[in-house]
Amino acid sequence: AQKITQTQPGMFVQEKEAVTLDCTYDTSDPSYGLFWYKQPSSGEMIFLIYQGSYDQQNATEGRYSLNFQKARKSANLVISASQLGDSAMYFCAMRARSNFGNEKLTFGTGTRLTIIP
Amino acid sequence: ETGVTQSPTHLIKTRGQQVTLRCSSQSGHNTVSWYQQALGQGPQFIFQYYREEENGRGNFPPRFSGLQFPNYSSELNVNALELDDSALYLCASSLEAHEQYFGPGTRLTVT
Repeated sequence: AQKITQTQPGMFVQEKEAVTLDCTYDTSDPSYGLFWYKQPSSGEMIFLIYQGSYDQQNATEGRYSLNFQKARKSANLVISASQLGDSAMYFCAMRARSNFGNEKLTFGTGTRLTIIP
Repeated sequence: ETGVTQSPTHLIKTRGQQVTLRCSSQSGHNTVSWYQQALGQGPQFIFQYYREEENGRGNFPPRFSGLQFPNYSSELNVNALELDDSALYLCASSLEAHEQYFGPGTRLTVT
């Protein structure tokens, strides 16, 4: 079984500062993928970044980077130069690859990020 | 915009009633997954459909059922609604083992 743990229920960050959102995971599958999604108050889950378990380098997408430490089973999201529009819920999720096609995503409980002007 | 649409946006039902939620997947995607997100929680996997067949199910009772149509759109049906079924229901479409793209969700309130 897969498990995702996000230990920060809420965070307040000054605009333009960098912020790190923590995520640890547990799985016995050797092949898996880790995702971060942003969920504004409207409800839609917006895909931010993906890291495969065999990827040698940390994933980056614009202002988002994923600090992947496989031995520690952590996949922290780093947002550089935070903006007011970054205020939202952030979810870490894991997918274990299946021979039957796509596999379910297991989500953490989320972190509510608030950017302060 | 992901190209995944869901209807209706909001819905209010009474305990014991039945409800059908709809999802249109992104063009070219053949897999649809449904998730339930209770207030203050992360989404929980309900089930997945791949090429019109159920392909995995989470820990939800049989009164949660679904369909996928030849055009890969999908329905989620919930019978005998309970108060705890109040949640945001999200569908996500994907092309086989690739990233899942989510729709805006349907907010269901059961009174």
